[in-house]
Amino acid sequence: AQSVTQLGSHVSVSEGALVLLRCNYSSSVPPYLFWYVQYPNQGLQLLLKYTSAATLVKGINGFEAEFKKSETSFHLTKPSAHMSDAAEYFCAVSLHLSGGYNKLIFGAGTRLAVHP
Amino acid sequence: GAVVSQHPSWVICKSGTSVKIECRSLDFQATTMFWYRQFPKQSLMLMATSNEGSKATYEQGVEKDKFLINHASLTLSTLTVTSAHPEDSSFYICSARDLGGLRNDEQYFGPGTRLTVT
Repeated sequence: AQSVTQLGSHVSVSEGALVLLRCNYSSSVPPYLFWYVQYPNQGLQLLLKYTSAATLVKGINGFEAEFKKSETSFHLTKPSAHMSDAAEYFCAVSLHLSGGYNKLIFGAGTRLAVHP
Repeated sequence: GAVVSQHPSWVICKSGTSVKIECRSLDFQATTMFWYRQFPKQSLMLMATSNEGSKATYEQGVEKDKFLINHASLTLSTLTVTSAHPEDSSFYICSARDLGGLRNDEQYFGPGTRLTVT
């Protein structure tokens, strides 16, 4: 069964500092992995996704993530945090079901705070 | 492209009444839509998977008679919370899978509907 674990429910960084949000997955088949961002009272926006192509995935807003099979990890990074990056971040793995469709299994989320 | 809308964005209703939430894919067709529930400061929990023209598939522990889902067309799914109670107050988010997209694993999320039951 697929599952996702996000280490650290809260992460606080200074503006301009490196952002590192951790995600480990468990999957019996090659996974599809996603990072989403959620701003207060809004839906989810896709940051990036891994679908078995390049292991280093670049997303929007300067974020990137590296798929490491040996570590079963898909950590999200950004070299320099902006105040506007403050939000909730969710890692998700895609669970393939019969009938050809998938459902997403979400991690618990990590709240990123950026301070001046 | 790939825009999903929800209506209403927020709703307040009295205990015992029913509330309908709409989820629309605006610029693509979606054979499959998903309904999630999110409590404050928590993750999204999948409630049900909605397939156009067939019955929804509910996750374990979700009452299908309380949360009625209808997916009548390729662009519209509705969630009706029947006989709402204060504990049903939550943020409800839908997502849609793009039938014609290159990657059928990607879901596009709506902006969410905040339901408050008084």
